[in-house]
Amino acid sequence: AQSVAQPEDQVNVAEGNPLTVKCTYSVSGNPYLFWYVQYPNRGLQFLLKYITGDNLVKGSYGFEAEFNKSQTSFHLKKPSALVSDSALYFCAVRDDTGRRALTFGSGTRLQVQP
Amino acid sequence: DARVTQTPRHKVTEMGQEVTMRCQPILGHNTVFWYRQTMMQGLELLAYFRNRAPLDDSGMPKDRFSAEMPDATLATLKIQPSEPRDSAVYFCASGLVGSSVNEQFFGPGTRLTVL
Repeated sequence: AQSVAQPEDQVNVAEGNPLTVKCTYSVSGNPYLFWYVQYPNRGLQFLLKYITGDNLVKGSYGFEAEFNKSQTSFHLKKPSALVSDSALYFCAVRDDTGRRALTFGSGTRLQVQP
Repeated sequence: DARVTQTPRHKVTEMGQEVTMRCQPILGHNTVFWYRQTMMQGLELLAYFRNRAPLDDSGMPKDRFSAEMPDATLATLKIQPSEPRDSAVYFCASGLVGSSVNEQFFGPGTRLTVL
């Protein structure tokens, strides 16, 4: 079985400050890890992914995520938050076989205050 | 600009009526997914197709829901009869397994309200 945990329902951060949205996962075999963002009344948009290689992955809009195998984590980060980053963020995982669809976390609402 | 399209974007219907939602995956993608999003349950996988064949539909209530891919450019999700608890946003996503892409691309969703 594969699963994702996003322990925080909401993260609040001031504009200009660094942000972190946490994600831990469980999967058999090698993980494929993803972050998606959802703005109000929109579908999910792909931000970044980890498949293999460097543990630090850079994605869209200045976001990055760090894969930590020993802690089974894939936290999303950004050095300086913008008000426009306020949205719902989903972490997702699947194994490397491709036989299963992505399993999504419950989502974390990011609120960036001006 | 390739993207997944879904129709209708909004649907309001009465309990007991049949609802059909349609999805056009990105051309060339070989996998299609149907998800349902609600406040209470979050994002749930309903069905997963690869090369038009159902790979996993364990998340779908079989008595009233059905998902098909009549051809590579069309996926459908049907609810018959619909119930108020089916009210949700239904997302379709497509992807290309076996490539370096790996991620799924989501459509804008169909917001279903069953009265």
